[in-house]
Amino acid sequence: QLQLQKSGPGLVKPSETLSLTCTVSGASISSSTYYWGWIRQPPGKGLEWIGTIYYSGSTYYNPSLKSRVTISVDTSNNQFSLNLSSVTAADTAVYYCARRGSGGRVFDYWGQGTLVTVSS
Amino acid sequence: DIQMTQSPSSVSASVGDRVTITCRASQGISSWLAWYQQKPGKAPKLLIYAASSLQSGVPSRFSGSGSGTDFTLTISSLQPEDFATYYCQQANSFPRTFGQGTRVEIK
Repeated sequence: QLQLQKSGPGLVKPSETLSLTCTVSGASISSSTYYWGWIRQPPGKGLEWIGTIYYSGSTYYNPSLKSRVTISVDTSNNQFSLNLSSVTAADTAVYYCARRGSGGRVFDYWGQGTLVTVSS
Repeated sequence: DIQMTQSPSSVSASVGDRVTITCRASQGISSWLAWYQQKPGKAPKLLIYAASSLQSGVPSRFSGSGSGTDFTLTISSLQPEDFATYYCQQANSFPRTFGQGTRVEIK
């Protein structure tokens, strides 16, 4: 059964870098069928797509965050990571990692969200 | 960016009611549309992909329709576990964008 397990701090100081890692179990991140993505949701608000990565390292980023976002993949450890630099309070959100399945280019499995708060 | 607009923003309904939620894209997206259900404190759950394809394990009371710019999610007979917030998402182009959500509440 597919599981997406996130790790990373729940509190980040303003101007610092938010770093999260999603470890995949029950599937190979190197499968040619799937892509892997990050989505966030500010408290009480809607969903925002951050970016998507393929096992080869090809990335697609939201232009609204592109200058601050890096998504990377580590196939040897079956995990992918998010780095968001120069954070502000506006980056406070629940962050989700998810798998983009083979049907419809959409996220069919989501990990449990992690609230990341940006505060000094 | 493609803007996704859902209506209504919230709907009050009773168990057994038929509920319809609409999603409009700011430009044509063919059938590249998904619907998700989110309950408080939980991750979104995929219900419908490719506008009308039911995700495995999702009850058949959920259905989707539409193409181009106008899409609909229908719950044929609302059940207690269906009270949640529903989001549409376009998968036609980058950046992927979501609707603002529709909250289905108990009447």
